[in-house]
Parts: sequence; structure tokens; C-alpha cells
Amino acid sequence: AQSVTQLDSQVPVFEEAPVELRCNYSSSVSVYLFWYVQYPNQGLQLLLKYLSGSTLVKGINGFEAEFNKSQTSFHLRKPSVHISDTAEYFCAVSDRSRNSGGYQKVTFGTGTKLQVIP
Amino acid sequence: DAGVTQSPTHLIKTRGQQVTLRCSPKSGHDTVSWYQQALGQGPQFIFQYYEEEERQRGNFPDRFSGHQFPNYSSELNVNALLLGDSALYLCASSFGTGILEQYFGPGTRLTVT
Repeated sequence: AQSVTQLDSQVPVFEEAPVELRCNYSSSVSVYLFWYVQYPNQGLQLLLKYLSGSTLVKGINGFEAEFNKSQTSFHLRKPSVHISDTAEYFCAVSDRSRNSGGYQKVTFGTGTKLQVIP
Repeated sequence: DAGVTQSPTHLIKTRGQQVTLRCSPKSGHDTVSWYQQALGQGPQFIFQYYEEEERQRGNFPDRFSGHQFPNYSSELNVNALLLGDSALYLCASSFGTGILEQYFGPGTRLTVT
């Protein structure tokens, strides 16, 4: 079984300051990792994903994340946040291998609310 | 491209009633997955439909059922509603059961009173 832990439920940060949203995962097999953003009253939008290769992944809106296998972490970072980044961010994990039926599913964390303060 | 659409946007039901939620996938996608997002929680996987069949299921009771139509659109049905079923229900579409490029709809907010 796989699980995702987002250690911070809320992160306040001043505009133009850097931010890091933490994510740790647990899985007995190799994984894919994702970060999604959810703006108020909207669905989820994929920010970035780690599939293989370079451990530093760049996504949309200036976000990036670093995969650390030894620490089983996939922290999300942005060097300078904007008011428009205020949203809830979800880390998610999926096994690389498909199950006996040939299917995969995604497990989400509980989310981190990023509040950007003017 | 309209993206993933869901209807209705909001819904209020009474305990014991039944509800049907609808989802139209993004153009070119043939797989629909449904998620339940309770307040303050992350999305929980309910089930996935591909080729008009339920292909895998999360830890949800049989009160939750679904259907996929030949045009790839999908319905989520919940019978005998409980207060705990109040949540945002998200539909995600993808191609060929893949999860690497899931596109989510805006969700249906279900309130059970």
C-alpha cells in the first residue's frame, strides 16, 4: 500500500518570498509522483510530475520539485510567490507497476493551503 | 476544447435519497475516474471506467456505482445517501487508463442533509 503525508496543513508566506511545501510518501515499490493545485471552487490542475530521470522537475507557474529517493520526499518549491499562487496544493503518488488487472491508481495527500500575504 | 465538464455544479439531497452525477471527458480521452473529496481532505479514488466497464475500485461501498456510455461520458450514482457522503465529487479523464495525464473537472458539490 502507498501513502502520502503533507506535513503542513497551512503555509502563510509573504508575496515575493520563497516557499517550500513538504511531501513525504511511503511505498514498497517504485513510484510516480505528482503535485496538483486546486484553486477555490475549481478542480485539480497538474503542476508537475516525476516519472524518471532528473530528480529536479520543473512545472508550470514557476514551480519545481525535487525527488529524493533516500528520504522518500518530493518537496515543492517556488523562489518568489505571487498573490495568484494562493490555493491548495496536493501531493500524490502512484505505483509504477500496474496491478494484476493492468491498472494504476493515484493516492493523494491531505493538501497544503498556501496563503500568500500581500 | 471544453475540457472535462461535470453536472450539476451543486446538489442538495436528503438522507436516504439517491443521486446521479454526470461527467463528460476531455476530447480524445476514453477513461473516466471518480474521486470523493471530503472537506479538508485530499481526493479519494472511488472507481475507474474504461470501455464501459468498471476497471478498478477504491474502498467505497456498493452504494456507489457508475456507468460509462459509448461516447465515454460517465455517471456516478450513490444510493441511500448518508450525511458522510457530503463532499466534492471530482471526475478525471485520461487516455487508455493512464494516470500520468489526468485532467480534472471542476467537481460537483453534494450536500446531504
